[in-house]
Amino acid sequence: NAGVTQTPKFQVLKTGQSMTLQCAQDMNHNSMYWYRQDPGMGLRLIYYSASEGTTDKGEVPNGYNVSRLNKREFSLRLESAAPSQTSVYFCASSERGGWTEAFFGQGTRLTVV
Amino acid sequence: AQSVSQHNHHVILSEAASLELGCNYSYGGTVNLFWYVQYPGQHLQLLLKYFSGDPLVKGIKGFEAEFIKSKFSFNLRKPSVQWSDTAEYFCAVLPGNTGKLIFGQGTTLQVKP
Repeated sequence: NAGVTQTPKFQVLKTGQSMTLQCAQDMNHNSMYWYRQDPGMGLRLIYYSASEGTTDKGEVPNGYNVSRLNKREFSLRLESAAPSQTSVYFCASSERGGWTEAFFGQGTRLTVV
Repeated sequence: AQSVSQHNHHVILSEAASLELGCNYSYGGTVNLFWYVQYPGQHLQLLLKYFSGDPLVKGIKGFEAEFIKSKFSFNLRKPSVQWSDTAEYFCAVLPGNTGKLIFGQGTTLQVKP
């Protein structure tokens, strides 16, 4: 049982390049989240999907887009990467919004140069 | 906008000392409350949660937290810390039925043997 799987684990991008971070969960959870973690700032919510077919902006959505491809998968896209997007990105899922525990992936460490 | 504030950014304790980490949130309605822990090099794991009922909740590894509605607080406590408790601790709030799980800035706990 893999839980929440994120790919890739590490990535270096040049400014202006695009990329998609993939996230998949095998727990049949309804809700999925994308966070970024920066020193001293905790985890900030980028986008979330309360259920399949819906997505909503979080605290810091600018520069990102998401797709809830199906119930299992929730991808995060950077269309034109900027150095300010250097961060560790975490995907999470929960059965029903925040009414149940959120399970986190191992994270993607992204560096934009 | 809803927010979560953790007062202590970096705490250093000796083994067997008592721990209290502060967490306050800004939201006037019903909330679900969580504490997560991130051990070095690992992803976030749930320590404990509060949905309703007894405001004093017990979690794993001897941690507990008290919800004080009038103070909008959910402080984490442990009577006697161990070296293995060295980690980063995050308070998180789910306001109402938003499905939007918001984290505080995190507190780094260093326990000296």
